[in-house]
Amino acid sequence: QKEVEQDPGPLSVPEGAIVSLNCTYSNSAFQYFMWYRQYSRKGPELLMYTYSSGNKEDGRFTAQVDKSSKYISLFIRDSQPSDSATYLCAMNQDSNYQLIWGAGTKLIIKP
Amino acid sequence: GAVVSQHPSWVICKSGTSVKIECRSLDFQATTMFWYRQFPKQSLMLMATSNEGSKATYEQGVEKDKFLINHASLTLSTLTVTSAHPEDSSFYICSASGTPPVFGSGTQLSVL
Repeated sequence: QKEVEQDPGPLSVPEGAIVSLNCTYSNSAFQYFMWYRQYSRKGPELLMYTYSSGNKEDGRFTAQVDKSSKYISLFIRDSQPSDSATYLCAMNQDSNYQLIWGAGTKLIIKP
Repeated sequence: GAVVSQHPSWVICKSGTSVKIECRSLDFQATTMFWYRQFPKQSLMLMATSNEGSKATYEQGVEKDKFLINHASLTLSTLTVTSAHPEDSSFYICSASGTPPVFGSGTQLSVL
């Protein structure tokens, strides 16, 4: 079993829809949770960064962490075609530790 | 915010030659740098972790004599792919440790 599970998709939704992306993990020591967006042949771009449990909102993006269930989510409101990309979750237990990555979910927003 | 500048963004080389990829941390000091490799439609795979002034720690299965990592200063880390072969063709990305980690823009290496 992988430490971090993420459905690779693809996930295809119409423009304007609310998108829900999720990851589950097995290591209860993880404290830092991140969501990155990656376009083809580009480096990952940080979208959300959360420490421990709770919600965090930034514009159209909301990140949720439920440590009791070992489950994290990223919601995208009012999705746009430009949001089409691969979304990767990542996490670690300390900033000096390597990140543990999900497989990445390919998201397609249809105009 | 913190930026890691990675160069080149794209390189094509002949089989048997060596290629150097540079990552520079701008306006901050990167004590630890992570080097990743990414194949198409796959997630990032950690190759090695380098700490400034010490030898890099390589992940299992990564040839340290082939992928030379130098982290001689707090603002510069380099990855040299020695005697590159077509199977080394991949997307290479560096990342500086931090809260949160900062990523370079990646280097697409194509070995002919």
